[in-house]
Amino acid sequence: AQSVTQLDSQVPVFEEAPVELRCNYSSSVSVYLFWYVQYPNQGLQLLLKYLSGSTLVKGINGFEAEFNKSQTSFHLRKPSVHISDTAEYFCAVTPGAGTALIFGKGTTLSVSS
Amino acid sequence: DTGVSQDPRHKITKRGQNVTFRCDPISEHNRLYWYRQTLGQGPEFLTYFQNEAQLEKSRLLSDRFSAERPKGSFSTLEIQRTEQGDSAMYLCASSSGDRVFGYTFGSGTRLTVV
Repeated sequence: AQSVTQLDSQVPVFEEAPVELRCNYSSSVSVYLFWYVQYPNQGLQLLLKYLSGSTLVKGINGFEAEFNKSQTSFHLRKPSVHISDTAEYFCAVTPGAGTALIFGKGTTLSVSS
Repeated sequence: DTGVSQDPRHKITKRGQNVTFRCDPISEHNRLYWYRQTLGQGPEFLTYFQNEAQLEKSRLLSDRFSAERPKGSFSTLEIQRTEQGDSAMYLCASSSGDRVFGYTFGSGTRLTVV
């Protein structure tokens, strides 16, 4: 079975500062990794995904993530955040095409001026 | 293509009543998923369909819950004899099941049981 641990439940940062949201996963098989963002009272929007190939993945809104197989991590980063990045961020894994995503509990990113 | 649609957006019901939610996936997607999200938690998998076949059910899906996808298009999730613990956001997602991994989520139905 797969599981996901998001190491920080809340991350407060100032506008234009860099940010890293941490995600570790556990699995006995190869997995595919995702980061989603959720704004209040909305569904989930895909930020980026790692399927194979380059371990550095670039996504929307200036976010990127690095897959580290030896550390079973998939941390999300942004070099300079904006107020509009304030949201809930979820890391997710799945072992195969079309199978259900398993989510972490989420990290609340709060950006203030 | 209008994405994944869920109806209603909000539902308030009294404990013990039955409720039904609807999800319309992206038309070319053959896989459809239901998740439940409670406050401060990530989405928890409930069940998924490939076309009209229900392929997997989580143990979270008690016998008061039933999901259908009769013609392989839209899906319904019914909760019978609702309890206060059923209060949550119910999310639907769809995908094409291929290696592109295009999971698309709807905006969810927020259920409040009073």
